[in-house]
This record gives sequence, C-alpha cells and structure tokens, in this order.
Amino acid sequence: GAGVSQSPSNKVTEKGKDVELRCDPISGHTALYWYRQSLGQGLEFLIYFQGNSAPDKSGLPSDRFSAERTGGSVSTLTIQRTQQEDSAVYLCASSRQALIEDTQYFGPGTRLTVL
Amino acid sequence: SQQGEEDPQALSIQEGENATMNCSYKTSINNLQWYRQNSGRGLVHLILIRSNEREKHSGRLRVTLDTSKKSSSLLITASRAADTASYFCATDAGSSNTGKLIFGQGTTLQVKP
Repeated sequence: GAGVSQSPSNKVTEKGKDVELRCDPISGHTALYWYRQSLGQGLEFLIYFQGNSAPDKSGLPSDRFSAERTGGSVSTLTIQRTQQEDSAVYLCASSRQALIEDTQYFGPGTRLTVL
Repeated sequence: SQQGEEDPQALSIQEGENATMNCSYKTSINNLQWYRQNSGRGLVHLILIRSNEREKHSGRLRVTLDTSKKSSSLLITASRAADTASYFCATDAGSSNTGKLIFGQGTTLQVKP
C-alpha cells in the first residue's frame, strides 16, 4: 500500500513529560528502523526491529528511550521524562528484511520539540 | 559516532552545472548508499554501490567508490533547481545482516535557477 507513515507529524511537549511516537511501516516489511536527526545533523541510528524482536538497541541514548513493535507491524517509540536535548526529528524506516542490501523506505518523520 | 564525513557541507551551483559531493568513512563496508532529503524530512534512497564495485550510474547520478581510500563521491550532472536538497551517504559499517545504516553529516546542495 502506501509508504511509511508516522504520527504525529509535529509534537511540542514540556520538559519532563512522556511522549509516544508512532510508525506504520509498509505492509509486508519485516524490518523497521528508528533514527534521530538533530538540527543540521546527520541521522543517528536508535534501534531496529526484525519482526517483533529488537536485536540491536545500541543506539538508544538512555534508558528514558524505549520502543516496541507488536504484530510485526506498527512500532511506537516512547521517550520518558523528555529533556530539551531530545528535540529532534525522529525518522522511521522499513525494509522487506533486515538485510544490508534491502532498501530502507523512510517516513516523513515526527518533529519533536521539548520546551 | 558518525561513520561518514561528507564534504563540502554546503554547495551552491547554477542550474545546468554538475555537482560533486564526497563521503569518507572509517571502517570496512559491504556497501555504501546515497540518500536525498528534502526540507529536513523523509529520506529517499538514490543508489547503492557494493564494496566490489567502483562506479555506478543511475540517470543523472554517478557514484564512485574507492575502498582503498574509504571514500565515495556522488556526481549529479546537468543539475536542476529540483535537485536542491541535502544528500547523505550511509554505510553498513561492515556489520552482519542487520540493515543498520550509519549516516554521514550530509551535504546541502542549492541549485539556483
């Protein structure tokens, strides 16, 4: 069907609040990736899923960050007790499988602003 | 830490000119990819080049890879105003089959009409 979708597109929150970001991958894609892009920076890998499991969580910046994926489809990235340095665009991507040569298709991102 | 370093950070050219962007990386790789990003949002995959390839073409795009120098270049020929965007290289950093990508800082290209 359609491409990768993310919601919300923009989120403004106050420092200390929790936020949930959602990613809907392309139907049939088993691999799902979360990246973060701070202002004027490249993309920073956060975590990826193969099916419902997350073999690599190495990029999560702190234990305030967590992600889950249920049913091998939708994923949510949760940031607890948000800090100003969490402000960034959070990008989700999916691919058919978690293989090096599988093209990753990116969503439009969620722009998070922590006041 | 970022795997790739790109230069220039910003490039401004006139429509019709060629644009060349360079990317260097640190560790061994299986392949290198180039992505394009408009307006700070989603990325679009442009081209993938394998470590055993030296050059690849796709339309007006030409990518080279020099594994001995750990560097790659992206050439956009006959640029158009619509090519204005940020361009990122990404590598797998030699990781096993995970698909995890390590991105460079990107080059911002402006093509003036």
